[in-house]
Amino acid sequence: DAGITQSPRHKVTETGTPVTLRCHQTENHRYMYWYRQDPGHGLRLIHYSYGVKDTDKGEVSDGYSVSRSKTEDFLLTLESATSSQTSVYFCAISPQKGINEKLFFGSGTQLSVL
Amino acid sequence: TQLLEQSPQFLSIQEGENLTVYCNSSSVFSSLQWYRQEPGEGPVLLVTVVTGGEVKKLKRLTFQFGDARKDSSLHITAAQPGDTGLYLCAGAKNNDMRFGAGTRLTVKP
Repeated sequence: DAGITQSPRHKVTETGTPVTLRCHQTENHRYMYWYRQDPGHGLRLIHYSYGVKDTDKGEVSDGYSVSRSKTEDFLLTLESATSSQTSVYFCAISPQKGINEKLFFGSGTQLSVL
Repeated sequence: TQLLEQSPQFLSIQEGENLTVYCNSSSVFSSLQWYRQEPGEGPVLLVTVVTGGEVKKLKRLTFQFGDARKDSSLHITAAQPGDTGLYLCAGAKNNDMRFGAGTRLTVKP
């Protein structure tokens, strides 16, 4: 199994509070991703990183920010959580992008915003 | 509207039966992947198909990429309870990977 650790695994928070989710990899892969998974929508890309301090927006980036200060760590921050951000969040890593992209996923973080 | 439509959404069958699930789109993809996800875990890559018409087999699972690279199917022969899970297809297009909503398969013993 790819060495990907997400923390926390579960979190309950209140509307308006800041939340940070962490993804840590031991594979030294260049690309890291944050997805959210909701019933009926599948996995949707929030943000991704193609190197230290290099990030870009995905399909559903509004309300989220990311940071990657080290190759192994990718943080997802909800500056002011809303109930619509209740979801399961997955971190993924990949050694390359495009046609040969292979995503390895963490076990997910279940976030509930009350 | 999903870029990739998967059907059926839910499928419940008895052990030993055969089944096919589908992944369809109006877009052309440079490659298409299938993942399986079990409860409480992240998706795990099963296969990548790249060439139109390509067929790949993984034990009892057969994956096919459509000739026009717009659709794909996954056929499982003699399904087992261990095949239970959420099957997701994902298409690579313009350096982006887009996922379908998945087919949730339950195989009853």
